Formats: sequence, C-alpha cells, structure tokens
Amino acid sequence: DAKTTQPPSMDCAEGRAANLPCNHSTISGNEYVYWYRQIHSQGPQYIIHGLKNNETNEMASLIITEDRKSSTLILPHATLRDTAVYYCIVKANQAGTALIFGKGTTLSVSS
Amino acid sequence: NAGVTQTPKFQVLKTGQSMTLQCAQDMNHEYMSWYRQDPGMGLRLIHYSVGAGITDQGEVPNGYNVSRSTTEDFPLRLLSAAPSQTSVYFCASSVPGRPNEQYFGPGTRLTVT
Repeated sequence: DAKTTQPPSMDCAEGRAANLPCNHSTISGNEYVYWYRQIHSQGPQYIIHGLKNNETNEMASLIITEDRKSSTLILPHATLRDTAVYYCIVKANQAGTALIFGKGTTLSVSS
Repeated sequence: NAGVTQTPKFQVLKTGQSMTLQCAQDMNHEYMSWYRQDPGMGLRLIHYSVGAGITDQGEVPNGYNVSRSTTEDFPLRLLSAAPSQTSVYFCASSVPGRPNEQYFGPGTRLTVT
C-alpha cells in the first residue's frame, strides 16, 4: 500500500470550509484514496473514496489531482461535530489486509 | 438499522481469564473484521472473515480466536488474557466487493490486570 503524508493538525472556524490535504506520491494505478475520521473515543467512520475522478457525497468532497499524487478532502461547512482525526488511506480494492490508519490530521473546529 | 454493535462497552479481566467480545451487524455484510487500537499505534487487524464459515488471520492474531457461524455475528475470543491485550477493540463490516468501505462499531475497552 502506498504511504500517505498528512499535516498533524489544522484549525477551522465553524461554518467555513475545511480543506484537508494528503500526499500519496507513490500511489499505484489500482489503488484508491479513502478518507476516514475518528471522533474521540468512537470507532472510525468512513467518509468517501475515489480513484481518479473527483467525488462528492452528503458528507464531503474529494478532489484528486490529475497525476493522483495528492488529494484534498473538503468539508464544505464545518461544524463543531466535525472535530476529529482525519485519516487518508491509499489501498487497492481487495480484502484480507488491514486499513493502515497512520497518524492522520487532527481537525479542530471552533466557534 | 442498528449498524455494527459491540458488547460489552467496558471490561476488566484478570490475567489468565478468558472472555468473548461480541460483534453483530444487521446490514447483511459479508466481510467482517476485528481491530485493536493502542495509543500511538493506530489500528491493527486481528482476524477477518469474508463470509460465514470463513475466517483468516490478520497482523496480530496470537492470543485470539474467531468463528463465523452466521453472517450477522463475529465473536472474538480471548483465550488467556494478558496485560498486553489491554486495548480498545473495534469490529467492522463492509459490503461484498467493497472491503475498504468499512462500518465500525463503537468499540470495547478492555483492561487486563
């Protein structure tokens, strides 16, 4: 699985967009970019994933650069409940190996 | 849908005791897995199952057993608890063909003294 690099922490004002970057310069052609988050003391929560096209769902948008070496998770209107550790994971679509969560980015949303 | 449920939420064991952590999902997911999370170490895969009757080992299987007799349930058994097994345990499930879109339970916080 390709390695990912994320900033350790970010701050965001409530109601503003939170843009969380992730570098994955060694990504392979068959690997997807997945985003999860973990709110304190809870289980990780799947957010979104993509291969090469930009993706949007009810939680967030995912922008992947054309060379696929980096991506950005966008929370369009951050709320206090979005305060969490966000993990970018690069992995092929196959079972049997663990999701490697790494250290992630701690997003702090304040009012 | 209750999603993925885990019981108990908290447990304290003495060294050498055995117990079973329960995990159930009501989403008809074929793929289920158990992780443990230790401070500063991220999540590590213990065991996983791709369907009823099929289980396999993950990264850190020693000291744990699993079985999958139904699609809904995937219990994790600690055979003889050790202080090194003090951790938070998460169960997860996912739909067929999408093993990396996992739904996690709320976790079981286990302390072994």
